[in-house]
Amino acid sequence: ETGVTQSPTHLIKTRGQQVTLRCSSQSGHNTVSWYQQALGQGPQFIFQYYREEENGRGNFPPRFSGLQFPNYSSELNVNALELDDSALYLCASSPKSGGRIDTQYFGPGTRLTVL
Amino acid sequence: AQSVTQLDSHVSVSEGTPVLLRCNYSSSYSPSLFWYVQHPNKGLQLLLKYTSAATLVKGINGFEAEFKKSETSFHLTKPSAHMSDAAEYFCVVSDGGATNKLIFGTGTLLAVQP
Repeated sequence: ETGVTQSPTHLIKTRGQQVTLRCSSQSGHNTVSWYQQALGQGPQFIFQYYREEENGRGNFPPRFSGLQFPNYSSELNVNALELDDSALYLCASSPKSGGRIDTQYFGPGTRLTVL
Repeated sequence: AQSVTQLDSHVSVSEGTPVLLRCNYSSSYSPSLFWYVQHPNKGLQLLLKYTSAATLVKGINGFEAEFKKSETSFHLTKPSAHMSDAAEYFCVVSDGGATNKLIFGTGTLLAVQP
């Protein structure tokens, strides 16, 4: 069974640019959540996707957007990058059944540096 | 609103001695609680979870945690530390809403001395 994978592992961008991060969910998992982990802090919830629709959102501005595809993989897009967007971006997948989202399993993350 | 407080930002133990990482939670209902571990430059790995079944939860790599409602605590323990246990540990509560999003503590960095 393949776990959650993310690409790329590292990325360097400059302020004002746009970035796309990718996540493949674990087999059988239909829900993907994205988290931002700034240096020295715990991860913060960005948003979640279920059946290709946004299922909930944390306290992040609209320039953070996402997609989920029919195979349950997902993308995180960030426009107009700011220095504070430098962080480890984590994707987590989980199964959802009976209206309930189960345990979330994390990928290795993408380290984004904004210069 | 749900939250967790990790009482120690750094813990240092000697190899072979017990590990105790402390976590208190705040929740308006019976929470789902988790411990995740993060090794340097790695993602998060689930150690164990509590979902209102047995109050003593056993996880991977010899870790366990006890849910104590009267103390609103969910401390993580291991009888004997190994060098490979050196990592950052996060106590986590789920918000129980539509997304069941995870709310993380600030983390405890565990150092294991030889």
